Amino acid sequence: DADVTQTPRNRITKTGKRIMLECSQTKGHDRMYWYRQDPGLGLRLIYYSFDVKDINKGEISDGYSVSRQAQAKFSLSLESAIPNQTALYFCATSDYDWTTSTYGYTFGSGTRLTVV
Amino acid sequence: QKEVEQNSGPLSVPEGAIASLNCTYSDRVSQSFFWYRQYSGKSPELIMSIYSNGDKEDGRFTAQLNKASQYVSLLIRDSQPSDSATYLCAVYILTGGGNKLTFGTGTQLKVEL
Repeated sequence: DADVTQTPRNRITKTGKRIMLECSQTKGHDRMYWYRQDPGLGLRLIYYSFDVKDINKGEISDGYSVSRQAQAKFSLSLESAIPNQTALYFCATSDYDWTTSTYGYTFGSGTRLTVV
Repeated sequence: QKEVEQNSGPLSVPEGAIASLNCTYSDRVSQSFFWYRQYSGKSPELIMSIYSNGDKEDGRFTAQLNKASQYVSLLIRDSQPSDSATYLCAVYILTGGGNKLTFGTGTQLKVEL
């Protein structure tokens, strides 16, 4: 099983619908992230959570919300989907690496979301 | 100015040649730098990390860091068609909200037969 699992892998939804993307991890990491990737724009941070009680907005949080249900689960919601939220979404986790004094990231396989 | 900048490419090199990918960053206090490889539609995969000025080699990959010039590069020797992918430069940046990894937009590499 993958260390970081995202569901669904692909989703087509209609404008105005609420949709939830789910992420679960078996790595035991405290830190979790949601990124969005669009062609030519790289990975942009939507929300991040350093532990269950700590949730922070990233650079593009408008139109999104998150829930950290447990250390292992971090969900991203689009309350009312719009076509410009069509993108590839990645969940990631990170843990402190004492060798490098930084956090090593592990990415999920991604969710391709299309809003029509 | 973007925090992490890369040329989007595509960078085309013949098989067996050296591919050179470049990245500049704006935050002078950044200490950790990473290169990720991403195949189309797949998740990023860490291939190199570097923390000190100079070169770091791992197989066919060499990362180079120059903190004074705020410049990090990735060299791929003996390029293979399987190296064709987008390469993301990432910099660990300390912000008011805590340390986070910030990505460049990526450089597309094409290795031609």
